[in-house]
Amino acid sequence: EIVLTQSPATLSLSPGEGATLSCRASQSISSYLAWYQQKPGQAPRLLIYDASNRATGIPARFSGSGSGTDFTLTISSLEPEDFAVYYCQQRSSWPPITFGQGTRLEIK
Amino acid sequence: EVQLVESGGDLVHPGGSLRLSCAASGLTLRNCWMNWVRQAPGKGLEWVATIHQDGSDKYYVDSVKGRFTISRDNAKNSLYLQMNSLRAEDTAVYYCARSPNGANIWFDPWGQGTLVIVSS
Repeated sequence: EIVLTQSPATLSLSPGEGATLSCRASQSISSYLAWYQQKPGQAPRLLIYDASNRATGIPARFSGSGSGTDFTLTISSLEPEDFAVYYCQQRSSWPPITFGQGTRLEIK
Repeated sequence: EVQLVESGGDLVHPGGSLRLSCAASGLTLRNCWMNWVRQAPGKGLEWVATIHQDGSDKYYVDSVKGRFTISRDNAKNSLYLQMNSLRAEDTAVYYCARSPNGANIWFDPWGQGTLVIVSS
């Protein structure tokens, strides 16, 4: 089973700042990584698939990068609505599909 | 509008059974692999099961194998999860989600979720 480790667990930033979230895989997953955003009481929303492809309707301030074992989700300039929990997910070697434990992005 | 709507969540005793449903509108499920993902209260996301677009292949997380069965009715544009021998650790919000690109399993969109509570 591929384990995904996200860091940091919590990130405290202010609106307008840039955010960098990391996801590390326990073995190479090529570019088979997705990122999701989840707000309280809501279902997750797909942001990025295959490491760097923005999903439909996702603002350009969200970008993904990486391959192999190290991946990054970057939010260029935080909007108030971006404060949420972010999860990464791999589809390289499945079953099982696995998720990271999440990074909480909170307002400083 | 593309929408997935889950139903069937409830409070059930340990050892009991429950059947979840997921109805789609604005999209045709027969062309898509479909999935169930769950989230225990205050916890992260856990993949539960995936089914091929024609129902021929099914995949499960180890913790539910032999207890849960994923199925679909493409004529009704619906997905199901039969859950038997339920345990306290199955307590979670259960989401159905589409994989829009065949066996390239990412999840988009998601339903709003249905809550299953397993407790005596």
